[in-house]
Amino acid sequence: ETGVTQSPTHLIKTRGQQVTLRCSSQSGHNTVSWYQQALGQGPQFIFQYYREEENGRGNFPPRFSGLQFPNYSSELNVNALELDDSALYLCASSLVAGSSYNSPLHFGNGTRLTVT
Amino acid sequence: GQSLEQPSEVTAVEGAIVQINCTYQTSGFYGLSWYQQHDGGAPTFLSYNALDGLEETGRFSSFLSRSDSYGYLLLQELQMKDSASYFCAVRDDYKLSFGAGTTVTVRA
Repeated sequence: ETGVTQSPTHLIKTRGQQVTLRCSSQSGHNTVSWYQQALGQGPQFIFQYYREEENGRGNFPPRFSGLQFPNYSSELNVNALELDDSALYLCASSLVAGSSYNSPLHFGNGTRLTVT
Repeated sequence: GQSLEQPSEVTAVEGAIVQINCTYQTSGFYGLSWYQQHDGGAPTFLSYNALDGLEETGRFSSFLSRSDSYGYLLLQELQMKDSASYFCAVRDDYKLSFGAGTTVTVRA
């Protein structure tokens, strides 16, 4: 089975610019979550998409937005980049059945974003 | 909201046993998970406890006490490849919230 893939692997942007990060979910998974991981910290939940709709959001401003496509791939968009947005952005997919969200998350290797 | 506490670093020698404790506070609780992340890599799922007790998977075991809001990950027969960061995470309805991680360093 194909795992979670993310692109690009590294990205350098300037403050104020916009960025789009992409994720292909693991085959058979219907839910995708995005996490931000600062150096030396645990992943912080940004939002989650299920059936192409956002169904949960962490403490991130509206300039962080996302999409999930019919094939369960996903995008994370960040507008008006700030220096503090420099981090590893992780995408994770899982299979949600019914109301159960207990299935493990399968993470991609992430996109390392540097904002200068 | 959620808060999780775990030690920042642990060092041990090959063949030793390491226990990583995790205490949590959460408004809703559906289970405690553990993930491993090597430098530059993706977090990978290790174990999940929804009910009190011990779950064993090979050299790794995980324990949960819901009444104490406490769990631990036990790494036995440590190997060099176990050097990594380990995160506890609690599921609160739809999302998984992670601790800051414990860096385990295994020495020869």
